[in-house]
Amino acid sequence: DGGITQSPKYLFRKEGQNVTLSCEQNLNHDAMYWYRQDPGQGLRLIYYSQIVNDFQKGDIAEGYSVSREKKESFPLTVTSAQKNPTAFYLCASSIADATVWDTQYFGPGTRLTVL
Amino acid sequence: AQSVTQLGSHVSVSEGALVLLRCNYSSSVPPYLFWYVQYPNQGLQLLLKYTSAATLVKGINGFEAEFKKSETSFHLTKPSAHMSDAAEYFCAVLGGAQKLVFGQGTRLTINP
Repeated sequence: DGGITQSPKYLFRKEGQNVTLSCEQNLNHDAMYWYRQDPGQGLRLIYYSQIVNDFQKGDIAEGYSVSREKKESFPLTVTSAQKNPTAFYLCASSIADATVWDTQYFGPGTRLTVL
Repeated sequence: AQSVTQLGSHVSVSEGALVLLRCNYSSSVPPYLFWYVQYPNQGLQLLLKYTSAATLVKGINGFEAEFKKSETSFHLTKPSAHMSDAAEYFCAVLGGAQKLVFGQGTRLTINP
């Protein structure tokens, strides 16, 4: 089955620790995205990548880092510099073509809680 | 810059009643618009999308939305609500560099 997987589903972190969230897709999509979801605020874009070895900051990139070494994978690291990291994190992917838009497909999400 | 406003953070309807979830957009170019649904602790699932091919767009689960340029709206409707429709619904517009801009979401509750 083609799709997007995120792991783990639930993650607990102590203050001051870095933590990495996994996102893998087998849809052969070029573009991948990370969003943060907080109650009543919708989804906000953290980082996105349209091609391997390249990525751009979204609207709320401070305190986060990403890498894109493989087409299938786009891990997100929540660093200790992120002041309020407790949230639901969603990964998405889509075809990336400057002349053709396409739908973003979402993974099941990871709920991060800082203790 | 593109933006989306969803009117009403919480909508409650009776089972069998009409569902109407409101979305207004702002865009300097012809917009591409989406409605997604999210069930508790899950990712987002695409309900439908507007691509300028037709102003009335039909989606999954009996939902549809009508694009009205004069009103800058893309409201989501379903003629008869079902208990399984209870979820959070997000309207989004495609911004630059293939980035989606989301509204704040509307939580739909269905009363038996």
